[in-house]
Order: sequence, then structure tokens, then C-alpha cells
Amino acid sequence: NAGVTQTPKFQVLKTGQSMTLQCAQDMNHNSMYWYRQDPGMGLRLIYYSASEGTTDKGEVPNGYNVSRLNKREFSLRLESAAPSQTSVYFCASRDSPGQGDNEQFFGPGTRLTVL
Amino acid sequence: GQQLNQSPQSMFIQEGEDVSMNCTSSSIFNTWLWYKQDPGEGPVLLIALYKAGELTSNGRLTAQFGITRKDSFLNISASIPSDVGIYFCAGSYNFNKFYFGSGTKLNVKP
Repeated sequence: NAGVTQTPKFQVLKTGQSMTLQCAQDMNHNSMYWYRQDPGMGLRLIYYSASEGTTDKGEVPNGYNVSRLNKREFSLRLESAAPSQTSVYFCASRDSPGQGDNEQFFGPGTRLTVL
Repeated sequence: GQQLNQSPQSMFIQEGEDVSMNCTSSSIFNTWLWYKQDPGEGPVLLIALYKAGELTSNGRLTAQFGITRKDSFLNISASIPSDVGIYFCAGSYNFNKFYFGSGTKLNVKP
């Protein structure tokens, strides 16, 4: 099992460019999450998908869109990148929404720089 | 958004010493989690807490869910060099959205 995989690992964009960050999990988990981590800060939730077919905003959704393509895949799109979106992006998955096993499994991260 | 205050921001300790860090929230949580993050990797769950007052251990790690449900602490006993990393607390009140503290960077001198 690969767990949670993210592509690309690194990306440099110019202001205004668009791109999609890909995330896939092979653990048959229902819930998936996108976080950003800025230097010296904890992770902040951008969007999450409690189950296939649903998505909800997190703490910092502005400037992002998401797609839960199927149970395995959850992508994050930047339509018009801004320097403030320079960050490390982590995808995570979890077995089930609601109370219970709260362990989120994180991917290795995508390091994005917007010039 | 939710405010989680985690302290201390960083610690420099000698191998073998005990470590204590804590997290406070402006709101009540139903779940407290503690994660460790190694450089260049995603966080890994260490301990999960589900009930106010709960005290849970995982090897040399012990964490408690504060009785007010607005705080939690993590203790590491007899630290070793591989404990080096950043430790994050996280809380949730609806089991879907998780809020993270800013992290405690732990350095252990052999």
C-alpha cells in the first residue's frame, strides 16, 4: 500500500498561473482533506470531503477549488495563483467521518512557490 | 477561526530529560490529537483523546484531555535523539474539521 500520494512534490508558478494538485489514497478511506502549512505555523484546513460526492470549506478556502473525483482521488485547484499561496500543501485521508477513529494519514506534501 | 495556542514554541533539552508541552483553545473541543512531523514529511498521529479528563499513554508519551475541554498536554519521558521533530496539537468539535496548533519544535542533545 502506498498510503496517500501527492503530485507534484515541488512546483514553481508565476502569479496568475493555474495548476491542480493531485492526491490519491489506496486505503479505501471515505474522508479526504487538503491543508496548507506556512513557516512556523500549524496546518490550516482548506477544504475537506467527508465522503465521495461531497465537499466543504475549511478555514482558508479563498482562492482554491476542489474536486472529489472518486473515492480515491481529491484534487486541489488554484485558478489564479498568488504569492500568498506559497506554502506546503498536505493531503490527508481518514477512514470515516464523524466520531470514531480520528487518525488522518498524511501525504508527503507539495511544496509550491508562487513568484 | 479557531485559535489554538501551543507552547512552548521550541525546546532544547538533553537526552534523557522529560518534556512537557501544552495546547489551549478558545473553544471547547470533543477530540484532541497530538502529531509529530519530521522534516520534509507529513504529520503522523501519536495519541488521540476523546473524553474530558482522559489520560492516554503510547510508550514514553502521555497525553491528557483537559477537564475544561479547552486544553491538552503532551509529556515525553526520557527523551532520545529520535524524538527530535515538531509536535502539533489538533482539536475538533465536530469530528470533521480539525484545527492545528503552531507546533513545538523539539531539539534533543545527545
